[in-house]
Parts: sequence; C-alpha cells; structure tokens
Amino acid sequence: AQTVTQSQPEMSVQEAETVTLSCTYDTSESDYYLFWYKQPPSRQMILVIRQEAYKQQNATENRFSVNFQKAAKSFSLKISDSQLGDAAMYFCAFANFGNEKLTFGTGTRLTIIP
Amino acid sequence: GAVVSQHPSRVICKSGTSVKIECRSLDFQATTMFWYRQFPKKSLMLMATSNEGSKATYEQGVEKDKFLINHASLTLSTLTVTSAHPEDSSFYICSARGGLPRLDTQYFGPGTRLTVL
Repeated sequence: AQTVTQSQPEMSVQEAETVTLSCTYDTSESDYYLFWYKQPPSRQMILVIRQEAYKQQNATENRFSVNFQKAAKSFSLKISDSQLGDAAMYFCAFANFGNEKLTFGTGTRLTIIP
Repeated sequence: GAVVSQHPSRVICKSGTSVKIECRSLDFQATTMFWYRQFPKKSLMLMATSNEGSKATYEQGVEKDKFLINHASLTLSTLTVTSAHPEDSSFYICSARGGLPRLDTQYFGPGTRLTVL
C-alpha cells in the first residue's frame, strides 16, 4: 500500500516571501501521479499542481512549482511571492497510474503573515 | 472547466432518518466519482468509488448498507446515509474524474456538512 507523509503540520510565511512544503511517499510502482491540493477555509478542495512520475521536468503553475525527486520519493511544493489568498490547508496526494484512488497526506496548514 | 457541485451544502437531521447528498459534474461527463469523509482538522478518507451503471466499490471498514451510493448517470452520483446517527456527523466530499483539462485528475465538489442530532 502507498503512504504519503507530510511532516510539517503547520507552516507560516511572510507575505511576498517564498515557502516550501514537504511531502514524501512510499511506493513500489514506477508509474504514478502526484498532486498538491489546497483546501481554504471554505473547504473546497482545489487542485494546485500535478506531476507525472515519468516526466523528469518539474511541474510549474504560475507561482507554484514542485521539486520532484523520484529516487528519494520526495515531492515538495514551492510557493513564490506568497499572497494572503494562499492561506489554506495543503494536501499532498498520490495515485497509481491506472488506479484512480488518491492517497492523501495528513496536510500542512499554511499561514500567511501580512 | 471541470466544475463539480454538491447539494445540499449543509444538512441537519434527526437520528434515525436518511439523508441524500447529490454530486454533479456540471461541464463534463465523469467516468468515475468518489466519496470522501473528512473529520475536523483531518485528511480525507476515501469511502467508496463509483462508476456509472456499476455497483460502488467500498473501502474496507465502510458499511455499504449504511452508505448507499448510486451513480445513475455520467454526471450524477448520490450518497444516501441511511438511519443516520450522531457519529455519522461529518463533512462529506465528492470528486469526479474525467474532466478537462486533465482527464485523469479528480476534481472536487464543495462538500456537504452533515449534522445528526
């Protein structure tokens, strides 16, 4: 079974600064997907970024980028130029290729300091 | 694109009654829908996976007779909590897979808060 670990229950960052959220996972599969989802106080889960394991290039979406280290089974999220609207719970998630189920980490609560 | 709605957003019911929650994919046909439960300050726990026209696949420990799932069409799945009890109070979230721009990504509904008195 796959596991996803987020070792930082809480993080904080000054507005306009950069913050990195950590995620590690465990799997014996070679083909899979990794995701970061954001859950603001409204509790709506929002897809932030997605990475296919077969791609060596790190995914980027505007101010959000990942550092995907396949050998180390690490998938960290970097948020640049942090904004107040980035304050949320961030969940790292894993899905096997061909298996639709998502395995979630326990989440990291990000606070933005004005 | 890839918008998922849930109805109702909040529901309060008496113990012993049944409650139905709807999940709709508004602008795409969802090949698969998922139902999650989330306790306060906790992660999402997958309850079941449903494919249109097929019986739902429940995760270990989830009572299929308690949580009835119907996936009648490619845009609608329903979760019925039967004979609800206070311990069923929780936040229920659905997701749908099959929408653009990423066909193999789950897109989530806004969730339903269930309170059983």
